[in-house]
Amino acid sequence: EVQLLESGGGLVQPGGSLRLSCAASGFTFSDYAMSWVRQAPGKGLDWVSVINNSGGSTYYADSVKGRFTISRDTSKNMLYLQMNGLRAEDTALYYCSRGRTSSSYSTVDYWGQGTLVTVSS
Amino acid sequence: DIVMTQSPDSLAVSLGERATINCKSSQSVLYNSDNRHYLGWYQQKPGQPPKLLIYWASNRESGVPDRFSGSGSGTDFTLTISSLQAEDVAVYYCQQYYKSPFTFGPGTKVDIK
Repeated sequence: EVQLLESGGGLVQPGGSLRLSCAASGFTFSDYAMSWVRQAPGKGLDWVSVINNSGGSTYYADSVKGRFTISRDTSKNMLYLQMNGLRAEDTALYYCSRGRTSSSYSTVDYWGQGTLVTVSS
Repeated sequence: DIVMTQSPDSLAVSLGERATINCKSSQSVLYNSDNRHYLGWYQQKPGQPPKLLIYWASNRESGVPDRFSGSGSGTDFTLTISSLQAEDVAVYYCQQYYKSPFTFGPGTKVDIK
């Protein structure tokens, strides 16, 4: 059974940093692209970033480019999102998700339950 | 960036009736090399993460009931629920994965009339 378990969310002041983690299990992690998608309270889905299966290709939403960094550790079956320079508008539930294929150009077929990030003073 | 729009914003349909949701992309999401439309549909119920329904615009994900179908080409796409069931009450999103950033539509809320 595919499982994605996010952690690392919390309350942070504007300008601060957080590192989100996602523990993946139930599938061969190195075979799939992975993504982060966020959802502000009461709002729609907002795509954040994707990394292909090898980690050699990454893409970011314009709103986070230069501030967020996606990475993966295949030896640990872990996906990460390093978030720096956080802003109030980054407040959201952050979902870890698996791509249907190894390519970054893929839909998402499994989602975690999300970890909440709140940026406030 | 490719802008995704959806219509209507919300709709209410009687049980057993057809629900149709439209999605439009600001540019074509057809990749000529493989002749596939890089367009997916998701269902999100309250308090739950999204669920993939359709990929490549018209391919139903495994386990998704066959009352859900996707169609369309170029820039215009449709998700159809052929016979609405109570468990289909949700918000539905389209997403393009043709070009980064892989944008979502704003969502369409489906309720029972």
